[in-house]
Amino acid sequence: EDQVTQSPEALRLQEGESSSLNCSYTVSGLRGLFWYRQDPGKGPEFLFTLYSAGEEKEKERLKATLTKKESFLHITAPKPEDSATYLCAVIHGSSNTGKLIFGQGTTLQVKP
Amino acid sequence: DTAVSQTPKYLVTQMGNDKSIKCEQNLGHDTMYWYKQDSKKFLKIMFSYNNKELIINETVPNRFSPKSPDKAHLNLHINSLELGDSAVYFCASSDEWADTQYFGPGTRLTVL
Repeated sequence: EDQVTQSPEALRLQEGESSSLNCSYTVSGLRGLFWYRQDPGKGPEFLFTLYSAGEEKEKERLKATLTKKESFLHITAPKPEDSATYLCAVIHGSSNTGKLIFGQGTTLQVKP
Repeated sequence: DTAVSQTPKYLVTQMGNDKSIKCEQNLGHDTMYWYKQDSKKFLKIMFSYNNKELIINETVPNRFSPKSPDKAHLNLHINSLELGDSAVYFCASSDEWADTQYFGPGTRLTVL
């Protein structure tokens, strides 16, 4: 069964303290892996799409990487405004329906 | 310049009532989706439509009926509302089935 597991569930950092969020997946052939950011009371906001192992993407203080079993979202020198829930999702290779399978998310709190 | 919009933002109703949630996207996408986010923030797909044709119908009760009058709109009608239907419902759209999905702001449904 396709599954996405994110860890940790919650993470508290001091401003400037770099860290990484993990997304482990088991799917029958990965078609794409997506990272989203969700602020309280809002919809998920797209961050990155990764398609193949070894791929990396960056945006400001965020960097997403992908291996054959997991993805990491690295946060370098985070700021309080980076506080949010980060969601990982996958589409498996044989899907032609666009069905995203989400993890449960990691809630990040960055203290000043 | 909102990309994916939903109305209403909040919906409070009594058990047994029928209600609708509307979604519109101005991105020119061919595929639209409905997701449900439960109290634990877990996002799960309910339906997807491609060019007004139903593609995904996950194990959702028959009380939920999506309707797509055109490519830019996907509405969700819910009959005989139950307490367990209380959740946040998100609409999303993508260009193709495997492409990045863009989410609306969500509709918080509370059934009393």
